[in-house]
Amino acid sequence: ETGVTQTPRHLVMGMTNKKSLKCEQHLGHNAMYWYKQSAKKPLELMFVYNFKEQTENNSVPSRFSPECPNSSHLFLHLHTLQPEDSALYLCASSHSGGQNQPQHFGDGTRLSIL
Amino acid sequence: GESVGLHLPTLSVQEGDNSIINCAYSNSASDYFIWYKQESGKGPQFIIDIRSNMDKRQGQRVTVLLNKTVKHLSLQIAATQPGDSAVYFCAEIPTYSGGSNYKLTFGKGTLLTVNP
Repeated sequence: ETGVTQTPRHLVMGMTNKKSLKCEQHLGHNAMYWYKQSAKKPLELMFVYNFKEQTENNSVPSRFSPECPNSSHLFLHLHTLQPEDSALYLCASSHSGGQNQPQHFGDGTRLSIL
Repeated sequence: GESVGLHLPTLSVQEGDNSIINCAYSNSASDYFIWYKQESGKGPQFIIDIRSNMDKRQGQRVTVLLNKTVKHLSLQIAATQPGDSAVYFCAEIPTYSGGSNYKLTFGKGTLLTVNP
């Protein structure tokens, strides 16, 4: 059971395609996050949104474009990706405005770039 | 730079034994620590957390120990079961002035394998 739902679970795309990843949380949280998980590397924070406002862009290439229309939904728009972008993309959410709050993760989108 | 790392990348135990997974952190300003479990094909699942003003916290079959003197964190799993097989991550949040919830730093993870 997860309060954070990600779609699609798997995505294969060519380098010239445009696709979007979707995340929805049902936990009443106000902060949402995108992470990249590659093999044998720690989770890498990509973007943070607090109350729909982007508060962190961790030097992510512009071929990744996030969108947060409301506190429950988060998108990651993809275009002209590179083979090294193949990874598991994880969405998370948490309460915001204070410290010491765990982040809750979805099950991710497994992205493969051909 | 600051980092969170794990002593052992893999751990294999017999069903019913106790498991101990270790984590070293280098940021002495860290204020809050979390253990996550990630099963194959799933996202990280919150297990237990601990604040820096505590040295021990217990959950259901799990205990987290924090030793701030040597900057060491451990996760103990009692009576390990096959369903406990997964990768376990520790994560930390440093205390910055003004506070910031989102600066979680993750270790690489330890793969726990439980043999029946």
